[in-house]
Amino acid sequence: GDSVTQMEGPVTLSEEAFLTINCTYTATGYPSLFWYVQYPGEGLQLLLKATKADDKGSNKGFEATYRKETTSFHLEKGSVQVSDSAVYFCALSSNFGNEKLTFGTGTRLTIIP
Amino acid sequence: DAGITQSPRHKVTETGTPVTLRCHQTENHRYMYWYRQDPGHGLRLIHYSYGVKDTDKGEVSDGYSVSRSKTEDFLLTLESATSSQTSVYFCAITPTGESNTEAFFGQGTRLTVV
Repeated sequence: GDSVTQMEGPVTLSEEAFLTINCTYTATGYPSLFWYVQYPGEGLQLLLKATKADDKGSNKGFEATYRKETTSFHLEKGSVQVSDSAVYFCALSSNFGNEKLTFGTGTRLTIIP
Repeated sequence: DAGITQSPRHKVTETGTPVTLRCHQTENHRYMYWYRQDPGHGLRLIHYSYGVKDTDKGEVSDGYSVSRSKTEDFLLTLESATSSQTSVYFCAITPTGESNTEAFFGQGTRLTVV
């Protein structure tokens, strides 16, 4: 079945540091890939997505590239801010209808000033 | 923000009692989902619905049932709550069943079974 393996956390970085959160996946067919973010006390919200190989999703300075050859979708940001502190989830949805997201375990990110 | 309301937001209940969580949407989206969030597991799908009275099981459906009698409401019922069902429950909606569709999530219900 489908699965998502995500970098273990928690991750603590200083403000303006470079961020990478690793994500690899196993899926049949050609899934869509997502990063969702959960701020404290809130539900998840979409950060970015990519729907086919070599697509790059980007939003709020975050980027991730759909790499089919390495089955990866790593999240990166060049200079993190305190406001980026949150839990980040990598997820996939296979293209067989009735979209059902399969999530990674989540990575808690804390940015210190 | 997508119009999704979960109720209650917090609940403490005793083992063996029935519990119903409600998800209400104002977006007229066809698909609705219930997930549970647990440390070390991320979010796991419990049940989902692809239309009024049309529901199906997810990955962790044992001990849960759902009903959808109206487009806007999706109810999750724990028939006899157990301590293993202590979790944070999220409702999500999508307009279609296509794999590239963004899901919108409610704010969650924290359930504690004592």
